[in-house]
Amino acid sequence: QSVLTQPPSVSGAPGQRVTISCTGSSSNIGAAYDVQWYQQLPGKAPKVLISGNSNRPSGVPDRFSGSKSGTSASLAISGLQAEDEADYYCQSYDFSLSAWVFGGGTKLTVL
Amino acid sequence: QITLKESGPTQVKPTQTLTLTCTFSGFSLSTSRLGVGWIRQPPGKALEWLALIYWDDDKRYSPSLKSRLTITKDTSKDQVVLTMTNVDPVDTATYYCVRPFSSSLNDPFDIWGQGTMVTVSS
Repeated sequence: QSVLTQPPSVSGAPGQRVTISCTGSSSNIGAAYDVQWYQQLPGKAPKVLISGNSNRPSGVPDRFSGSKSGTSASLAISGLQAEDEADYYCQSYDFSLSAWVFGGGTKLTVL
Repeated sequence: QITLKESGPTQVKPTQTLTLTCTFSGFSLSTSRLGVGWIRQPPGKALEWLALIYWDDDKRYSPSLKSRLTITKDTSKDQVVLTMTNVDPVDTATYYCVRPFSSSLNDPFDIWGQGTMVTVSS
């Protein structure tokens, strides 16, 4: 069981908007630790999509956005494209575990 | 350009010790605030952080695996080595070498190696 909880899968048609939730607790997201989001394309290493809750690294399209509130965070993807089909992971730090923690991952299917 | 590359055995037997090496370029682990770590991913499953070592030799371990892991660095060779003792088939995974942006707990793992698949089987 992952410390951060994500839905196993989400789907949407091209052009639509989808959101992926990431629920933590008072020892990680709720303790004001930042949330990062990673995109993992099939057979590839993960890459940073969102850092510091809502910051996009250079090169990441502005179709991707992140937010955080309380003990949860969300990744929104607008204008879905076929190339967005991938696994998405949230990550934060947990002070009670003294460990970096990940969500279980969400598989995005573009219909 | 910063790169990380993992190397090690593709298969190990249960109860054996697994040794993985991360060889990196484009930075020095003697530079203040830098670190290198390991994250693994069993087939079809989620990412799991394992260990991290900083420029000042500060070491951090996953609490669930701490008794089995050792992370070391060789600054002269630009390498970080992870050893895992008493491996089990559940340790079958792709092991990634990663570099966090800095020593802040809030920074992402922004550089990843390509990963190396390790199978634990007799």
